[in-house]
Order: sequence, then C-alpha cells, then structure tokens
Amino acid sequence: QKEVEQDPGPLSVPEGAIVSLNCTYSNSAFQYFMWYRQYSRKGPELLMYTYSSGNKEDGRFTAQVDKSSKYISLFIRDSQPSDSATYLCAMYTTSGTYKYIFGTGTRLKVLA
Amino acid sequence: NAGVTQTPKFQVLKTGQSMTLQCAQDMNHNSMYWYRQDPGMGLRLIYYSASEGTTDKGEVPNGYNVSRLNKREFSLRLESAAPSQTSVYFCASTPRLAGGTQYFGPGTRLLVL
Repeated sequence: QKEVEQDPGPLSVPEGAIVSLNCTYSNSAFQYFMWYRQYSRKGPELLMYTYSSGNKEDGRFTAQVDKSSKYISLFIRDSQPSDSATYLCAMYTTSGTYKYIFGTGTRLKVLA
Repeated sequence: NAGVTQTPKFQVLKTGQSMTLQCAQDMNHNSMYWYRQDPGMGLRLIYYSASEGTTDKGEVPNGYNVSRLNKREFSLRLESAAPSQTSVYFCASTPRLAGGTQYFGPGTRLLVL
C-alpha cells in the first residue's frame, strides 16, 4: 500500500465550478501538509501549506486536513481555465526519519 | 532572485553515456534534493543533502551519484545512462531538512535512447 493515495484523474469541470481534490495517507506521524500546482512542463509550485488538522483559506483556495481520518482536501472555488494543471499533495514529519512524501497528482481541466 | 535553477532544460543521451545535471539555489537554503518524476509514479526522491558536506540516499538512488559542491549547488550525475533513467528530474531546496516547504526548479527532461 502506498503511503499517500491520490486519484490521478483527469477531472474535467466547467468554469466557475467548485473543485474538490483529495488525498488519503497511512502514516499518522505526518504533521505538515502541502498542495502544489504543476503546469505542464514546469516545476511544482506551492499553493497551500498547513500544520496539523483544520482549515486554511487563501483566496479561492481552501485546504482542509482531517488527521483522525488521515484525509486532506483542496477546494478551489470559482474555478478558472488558468487553474488547469496537475495538483500534487505532499506531507512530511519532523519526528523520526526525515521523509517528504508526494501523491502522484490529480490532473484538472477547467473548461471555458 | 532566481530561486532554484537547473541546467540543462532538455538532454538526449545514448545508453552508456554519462552526464551531470546541475542545480543551484540563491535562497541560502541548507537542504537540497533531487527527484525524478515519471507518469503514474509521482515524485520519487533520488538523493538529498541536509547541509553542505553531507549527502544521503533517497528512495531510488541506484545508477546516480551526487555532489554538494557548496551551499548553493547540488549536482546529479549519471555515470552510465540507461533507458530506465528517461524521466523528468527536479531539484528542490528547503531552509533546513524536513523544515518548511520545498521550492522546486523548472526541471530537466532527459531521454535515454
């Protein structure tokens, strides 16, 4: 079983829709959670960074962490064609062995 | 402030050839990382350097070597390239090991024939 599971998509939505992207993980030691956006032929760029459980909002983006369920989500409100990209979840712990773990990414296409 | 830079952007090699991928960061970060990204596999860690003068193996180190030349630069070397090493390679850096978010370079696309 992979430590982080992420649906690869592709996910196609109409412009203006609310998008929900999710990851599940198995290692309860993970403390820090991130979402990266990766455009085609580019490097990942950080979108959201959260510590422990709870919600964090930044403009149209909301990151949610539920440590009890080992489940994290990224919501995109009023989605735009420019949001079309691959979204990677990532997580790490500062205790024990160093480890950053990435999901495989979900491809999102927002249709104009 | 360029962040993380990588050279070359694209390279074609024949099986058995060698090459070095270069990475540099100007954010005064202590830790640097090399990943490869393959379809359906996500980002897999090849090697990392917690600080200048140290390097450690990641998840998929076989066939690769690294050098942390100084605090800014971290290179990845393929001594004898194989088709299985066809991939996109990303360098990343963080202020410290397992501390803070990773900043990625633009990637090097490598094709081994």
